[in-house]
Amino acid sequence: GQNIDQPTEMTATEGAIVQINCTYQTSGFNGLFWYQQHAGEAPTFLSYNVLDGLEEKGRFSSFLSRSKGYSYLLLKELQMKDSASYLCAVLHSNYQLIWGAGTKLIIKP
Amino acid sequence: EAGVTQFPSHSVIEKGQTVTLRCDPISGHDNLYWYRRVMGKEIKFLLHFVKESKQDESGMPNNRFLAERTGGTYSTLKVQPAELEDSGVYFCASSQRQVFDEQYFGPGTRLTVT
Repeated sequence: GQNIDQPTEMTATEGAIVQINCTYQTSGFNGLFWYQQHAGEAPTFLSYNVLDGLEEKGRFSSFLSRSKGYSYLLLKELQMKDSASYLCAVLHSNYQLIWGAGTKLIIKP
Repeated sequence: EAGVTQFPSHSVIEKGQTVTLRCDPISGHDNLYWYRRVMGKEIKFLLHFVKESKQDESGMPNNRFLAERTGGTYSTLKVQPAELEDSGVYFCASSQRQVFDEQYFGPGTRLTVT
């Protein structure tokens, strides 16, 4: 079966750093996406990792370890607008996106 | 550039009725995807169009769901007859290239079946 796990909810302080983990067990793998979704809005693309290592994009970075079935999204210099759900999704070898349930990130002043 | 649009934004129907959801992808995007998120669950893939052809419809839950994309532009997803378990948010996404390309999502249609 396909399984993607991420924490249900996390809380962090404005200006701090937070790491959202995602572990996956899938029968196929063609990369891992992170999406951000504000309540009532469409998911928006943050990152795509297909090779091991860290991809940095401004305040956001994403890491992948294929051997461990593990990824994380790192958010630096947190802002109140970063309060949202963060969705981890694996691109299966059949090219379907398999989604985690999402991590709700709450930013406190 | 206009993003992916979906209509309606909300729909409340009674069990047994029919509802048709519409998605307009970003102009020039050949790939169109439908997803569904049931309350408290993860987003689930429904199907994938490449232009007007169904590339993969393995995620469609049953034959009460019918998706079309005539002319390779907008797409419709019809649910007939609707059941209570069909309630959820239906997202549409489009991408220019297949597979590894970023998918741009629409705002979703919230369907409530009573």
